[in-house]
Amino acid sequence: NAGVTQTPKFQVLKTGQSMTLQCAQDMNHNSMYWYRQDPGMGLRLIYYSASEGTTDKGEVPNGYNVSRLNKREFSLRLESAAPSQTSVYFCASSALPGEGYEQYFGPGTRLTVT
Amino acid sequence: AQSVAQPEDQVNVAEGNPLTVKCTYSVSGNPYLFWYVQYPNRGLQFLLKYITGDNLVKGSYGFEAEFNKSQTSFHLKKPSALVSDSALYFCAVSPGANNLFFGTGTRLTVIP
Repeated sequence: NAGVTQTPKFQVLKTGQSMTLQCAQDMNHNSMYWYRQDPGMGLRLIYYSASEGTTDKGEVPNGYNVSRLNKREFSLRLESAAPSQTSVYFCASSALPGEGYEQYFGPGTRLTVT
Repeated sequence: AQSVAQPEDQVNVAEGNPLTVKCTYSVSGNPYLFWYVQYPNRGLQFLLKYITGDNLVKGSYGFEAEFNKSQTSFHLKKPSALVSDSALYFCAVSPGANNLFFGTGTRLTVIP
């Protein structure tokens, strides 16, 4: 049982390049999330998927797109990377989309945009 | 507006002493409150949560948290700190079905 896995672990992009961050969970969770973590700012929600087939914007969605490929997988795409998107990206999942359900996090992807 | 405040960026405590990491929140309606811990180069790990009921919540690794509605606080505590508790701690509040608002984190250092 690997929990939540993310690939890649590290990535360096040039401004304007695109890339997709992959996330998968093996806990049969319905809901999945993408966050970014910046120094002194905690974690901020980019997009989430309450259930397979649905996605919604979070607090900071600009510059990103997501795909809920199936129940296990939720990818985050940067179409044209900008230096402001340099951050650590975390994927998370929870059993159900409710207030009381804790989220389980992957190990993160450290992205640098030059 | 929903928000979480962790007033201390850094907390230092001697090994064996009790520790407290502070958190206050602002949320409409009934709050759902969480504590997470992050070790270096790792994702966040769930420690404990308050949904309803007893104001003292017990969680993983001997941690507990006290919910105080009148003070809108949810402080994390542990009776006896270990060096291995050194990490970054995040308080979070869930105001709705699909969102967690995180505090900015408190770095705990336990001194041997």
